[in-house]
Amino acid sequence: KAGVTQTPRYLIKTRGQQVTLSCSPISGHRSVSWYQQTPGQGLQFLFEYFSETQRNKGNFPGRFSGRQFSNSRSEMNVSTLELGDSALYLCASCRTSGSGDTQYFGPGTRLTVL
Amino acid sequence: GQNIDQPTEMTATEGAIVQINCTYQTSGFNGLFWYQQHAGEAPTFLSYNVLDGLEEKGRFSSFLSRSKGYSYLLLKELQMKDSASYLCAVRDRGQAGTALIFGKGTTLSVSS
Repeated sequence: KAGVTQTPRYLIKTRGQQVTLSCSPISGHRSVSWYQQTPGQGLQFLFEYFSETQRNKGNFPGRFSGRQFSNSRSEMNVSTLELGDSALYLCASCRTSGSGDTQYFGPGTRLTVL
Repeated sequence: GQNIDQPTEMTATEGAIVQINCTYQTSGFNGLFWYQQHAGEAPTFLSYNVLDGLEEKGRFSSFLSRSKGYSYLLLKELQMKDSASYLCAVRDRGQAGTALIFGKGTTLSVSS
């Protein structure tokens, strides 16, 4: 079974631009979560989507948004990029949205904001 | 509030045993996960504990004490390939869905 895939793997943008990242979950998985990973803060939860609905949201500004499509693929968007948005953005998929379910991570998108 | 603490760095030698501790505070504990992350790669799932006790899986074991807000990951017969960051993560009952709260990770260096 193929794992979680994320595109693109690397991205360079300048301040003020916007960016869209894509995530395809493991086949049959309906929950997709997004995390931001930085050396200083570690892994921080952005949001989770299940059946095209946002189930949960972390403590990030409104510039960070996401959506999920009917095939469970998900996108996240960051508008008006800031230097501090430089990070590894990880997507994780879960079979359902149950408390005991394990999240499986994709390889991430490395975003650099200049 | 929510807080997860784990040591920043640890070192060990091949063949040894190492224990990585994790303490947590959450408003409603609903499961604890350990992940391994090699540099430049995705975190990979190692173990899940929701009840007190020890879960063993090959060279890796994970222990949980809910009353103490404490877990550890035990790695036996260390190999060079075990050099990685180990992430402790907790699921909070107060949050819907499957969101995980991560510690900042413990970087383990295994030397020969």
